[in-house]
Amino acid sequence: AAGVIQSPRHLIKEKRETATLKCYPIPRHDTVYWYQQGPGQDPQFLISFYEKMQSDKGSIPDRFSAQQFSDYHSELNMSSLELGDSALYFCASSLPGQGRYEQYFGPGTRLTVT
Amino acid sequence: GDSVTQMEGPVTLSEEAFLTINCTYTATGYPSLFWYVQYPGEGLQLLLKATKADDKGSNKGFEATYRKETTSFHLEKGSVQVSDSAVYFCALSAISNFGNEKLTFGTGTRLTIIP
Repeated sequence: AAGVIQSPRHLIKEKRETATLKCYPIPRHDTVYWYQQGPGQDPQFLISFYEKMQSDKGSIPDRFSAQQFSDYHSELNMSSLELGDSALYFCASSLPGQGRYEQYFGPGTRLTVT
Repeated sequence: GDSVTQMEGPVTLSEEAFLTINCTYTATGYPSLFWYVQYPGEGLQLLLKATKADDKGSNKGFEATYRKETTSFHLEKGSVQVSDSAVYFCALSAISNFGNEKLTFGTGTRLTIIP
């Protein structure tokens, strides 16, 4: 079965650089969620999109922005990277109205900021 | 706001021992409850879920029952294996003010099973 695809899987950037993370949800899933998991931490909700519109916002820094495109894939743009942005970034997707019952997670993008 | 309080780890058990990882929650409304597992270097996998009070989720020998009266969702397994070594996250999903369903996670419990 198709799963959530995230790219790249690993990314190394320097401080003050920018990064773009991509997420391709499971076909027919119209809702996408982004989570950030710092080293040894629990995942924290960043932002979500439903039908290409931002639907909820969590603890996402102003330096980060995201959008969902017409094909439902989503991109998380991160600027002025800081060492503290080093984390595992997960994308999850769900069927319409089903996010409360099941979210399918991608394998994550591991971002390292040096 | 919503929160999940999870038994702190790490937890180390011998193979075939009984496992309990405690999880309690605070939420408005009627959340769905989940246990996710994260193996070393991997992503999050849904282990089991329960969407209403008294529901029991089960998978791979793991079980958890949604107890509304005690706001708990404790994870149990009768006989653990070395392959169960991982980090376990309790999580809840509730409708937010925006009508969406973000997940709120506990801090995770690292489980190590010794042969």
